[in-house]
Amino acid sequence: SAVISQKPSRDICQRGTSLTIQCQVDSQVTMMFWYRQQPGQSLTLIATANQGSEATYESGFVIDKFPISRPNLTFSTLTVSNMSPEDSSIYLCSVPSPSSGAYNEQFFGPGTRLTVL
Amino acid sequence: AQSVTQPDIHITVSEGASLELRCNYSYGATPYLFWYVQSPGQGLQLLLKYFSGDTLVQGIKGFEAEFKRSQSSFNLRKPSVHWSDAAEYFCAVEVLTFGTGTRLTIIP
Repeated sequence: SAVISQKPSRDICQRGTSLTIQCQVDSQVTMMFWYRQQPGQSLTLIATANQGSEATYESGFVIDKFPISRPNLTFSTLTVSNMSPEDSSIYLCSVPSPSSGAYNEQFFGPGTRLTVL
Repeated sequence: AQSVTQPDIHITVSEGASLELRCNYSYGATPYLFWYVQSPGQGLQLLLKYFSGDTLVQGIKGFEAEFKRSQSSFNLRKPSVHWSDAAEYFCAVEVLTFGTGTRLTIIP
């Protein structure tokens, strides 16, 4: 299994500002995923972060709004830029099971609950 | 395109009663299927998964799920729920596509 921590656990931000969310894994992983979970809705994949290359964004998400860094195999950050109230969500990072390759069950961080006023 | 449907947004069950949460998927072949649970303030935890073979899979916390190809379903069951089972449950297909979730409330 993998143990994942996220910082901050929650934050309240003003419109127009940016917030950087950190995700730390206790083992080296090639892929890390970032999700958004809007109130009352399911998880939506934002992007896949690979170490040493640009993140791959899903339809509807762009790098200017959600820049991602992946400086090493245990760490990633997601920035929510120029925030608006519509960005209020839980943001989760996840990694695939280390024992079974890229696409298998995932381990999730506890999430970052963001409220934008 | 692949998709997952969880028809029940919210289910209320008495403690000790049986439970079935529905999940239907759309996918071109036999998919990898997962059930996750999200307790309040927690991340998602894998309950069980189906890749191939026996269509009835056992998971943690006494949960099981049955894959039915003819119905494109992967319903989650538990014979007797406990108050600690109150949470949000998500079905997922092929790892990255999640259903909208079913919130489970347990009443005494």
